[in-house]
Amino acid sequence: AQRVTQPEKLLSVFKGAPVELKCNYSYSGSPELFWYVQYSRQRLQLLLRHISRESIKGFTADLNKGETSFHLKKPFAQEEDSAMYYCALGPDKLIFGTGTRLQVFP
Amino acid sequence: NAGVMQNPRHLVRRRGQEARLRCSPMKGHSHVYWYRQLPEEGLKFMVYLQKENIIDESGMPKERFSAEFPKEGPSILRIQQVVRGDSAAYFCASSPRPDTSEAFFGQGTRLTVV
Repeated sequence: AQRVTQPEKLLSVFKGAPVELKCNYSYSGSPELFWYVQYSRQRLQLLLRHISRESIKGFTADLNKGETSFHLKKPFAQEEDSAMYYCALGPDKLIFGTGTRLQVFP
Repeated sequence: NAGVMQNPRHLVRRRGQEARLRCSPMKGHSHVYWYRQLPEEGLKFMVYLQKENIIDESGMPKERFSAEFPKEGPSILRIQQVVRGDSAAYFCASSPRPDTSEAFFGQGTRLTVV
């Protein structure tokens, strides 16, 4: 079965600390993995996708097929990174994890 | 390009009434996806439509829920005889292609059933 697991509901860090939001998936074919972010009272936005291998706002994520993971990382968290983060599995209809709320304290 | 527009943003219905949620895709996008987010849960896929066609409705409840995407006008998600358990945020996304690699989301409609 296709599934996305985000084990942490809440992750709290101080500004400048490293951040890692965990995402594991279950998919039998060739997965496409995405990270979406939702800032307070705003729409869901695509943050990055594994096929483009880019870094957005300092965030990176590497697809590890052996561990079936796609963890989101940032070396130095900023207060403006506080938001809900959703990992999603494609390529056709997106399957979302339950999300992780990131709180960055000053 | 105004992005994906959903209206209303908030909708309150009494039990037994009908709810109609609208989604106007981005210009040039002919693929629409609807998702539901229950409290404390992630977004769950409901239905995928192209213009005038339902492609995948595997996530739609069997009764009371229907969706359409006519040739002209917005996509409509219709919930008949709403119950308290239908209270949720409903999101739509549109894409120019038959996959979600370039999907953009609307701001959602929050339905409250009283």
